[in-house]
Amino acid sequence: QVQLQESGPGLVKPSETLSLTCTVSGGSISSYYWSWIRQPAGKGLEWIGRIYTSGSTNYNPSLKSRVTMSVDTSKNQFSLKLSSVTAADTAVYYCARERGYDSSGYYYGDFDYWGQGTLVTVSS
Amino acid sequence: DIVMTQSPDSLAVSLGERATINCKSSQSVLYNSNNKNYLAWYQQKPGQPPKLLIYWASTRESGVPDRFSGSGSGTDFTLTISSLQAEDVAVYYCQQYYSTPLFTFGPGTKVDIK
Repeated sequence: QVQLQESGPGLVKPSETLSLTCTVSGGSISSYYWSWIRQPAGKGLEWIGRIYTSGSTNYNPSLKSRVTMSVDTSKNQFSLKLSSVTAADTAVYYCARERGYDSSGYYYGDFDYWGQGTLVTVSS
Repeated sequence: DIVMTQSPDSLAVSLGERATINCKSSQSVLYNSNNKNYLAWYQQKPGQPPKLLIYWASTRESGVPDRFSGSGSGTDFTLTISSLQAEDVAVYYCQQYYSTPLFTFGPGTKVDIK
């Protein structure tokens, strides 16, 4: 059973950089896209971006200028950095697996495994 | 961007009754080459991450009770809970993956017991 676990500081000061890591266990990180998704309290879900195990990335245009993602396949981990944070970046941050393509070539763009989420508060 | 909307914002249904949630996309999410709608539904309970219920608009994920069903095509979709159970109280989200790699979610619909 694949499990994802987010880790990182729960409090970040305004203008600083938010850094989170997602550790994947119970399965290989290889050959999948891995995403970060966030959810402000009481609000909906916002896709931040994704990374493939090759290191290829795609980011939400609304956040692209501030987002950097990386992957460490040797540790089965991938990471998120969000720079110049403000209070608007306060949210629960989830990491999730995009199911991707099956052997027949069908594409599943849904997210079948999620971490429990970690609350990041931006405050001085 | 493909904008997703949902209706209603919330609904209260008696135990054992049907709950119906609607999702609309600002443009078609039907992928013509394989005739599949690139839309998923999730259930989120308080303090938990979203759980995948339905993909390709109508295919139930393994282990999801058959009282959950998805329907629709193109731009209009529906999630139906045929007989509401107490454990179904949650917020439900639709998500499109047609415009990969830009994924967007609906704003959510809260389902409660009447």
